[in-house]
Amino acid sequence: AQSVTQLDSQVPVFEEAPVELRCNYSSSVSVYLFWYVQYPNQGLQLLLKYLSGSTLVKGINGFEAEFNKSQTSFHLRKPSVHISDTAEYFCAVSDMDSSYKLIFGSGTRLLVRP
Amino acid sequence: NAGVTQTPKFRVLKTGQSMTLLCAQDMNHEYMYWYRQDPGMGLRLIHYSVGEGTTAKGEVPDGYNVSRLKKQNFLLGLESAAPSQTSVYFCASGTGSNQPQHFGDGTRLSIL
Repeated sequence: AQSVTQLDSQVPVFEEAPVELRCNYSSSVSVYLFWYVQYPNQGLQLLLKYLSGSTLVKGINGFEAEFNKSQTSFHLRKPSVHISDTAEYFCAVSDMDSSYKLIFGSGTRLLVRP
Repeated sequence: NAGVTQTPKFRVLKTGQSMTLLCAQDMNHEYMYWYRQDPGMGLRLIHYSVGEGTTAKGEVPDGYNVSRLKKQNFLLGLESAAPSQTSVYFCASGTGSNQPQHFGDGTRLSIL
């Protein structure tokens, strides 16, 4: 993977509203895709991953993501957010070109308001 | 259930001082990584290791050195700290090149 783009640096939403966090990547080969979440003053935790198979991937805390090869995207969605979902979310990609090292996007801060 | 442990959690250094950050994992992982996190830039790989006794450079290796003398430990050294190295440093470990990485809670390093 050459790069990962998270277009939105911050996404404010109201509690119980749906949310989509966007992630696009550039790669000419098969990719592995990950979403991580970082709560304040903590490390990163894995939300979900796509390695192969079904393009719709379900993760923890009600999140899901869809791999779209033609659009080189891996957007993260949740149908109804909670205050506790307030955190920073990172998309990451690895492929053969990067020697399977993870390349991270710049992150999207999800701010859930009551 | 420790996972990945980083020490220290916070440190303030003066320019030119040296220090070592320690990462320890208890999951018997072969792969270990050091990242730095800066605002608006995500995580950038400094150095990594694919096994005991091996290390390799990542995206931003300049000014840092690493050692992996034991499988469970991965040390990151700053020989002569510079203000540009003020950052949050994360260690991670994993089982393979296409597998998720497990992260520590980070070390906040300020260099004055």
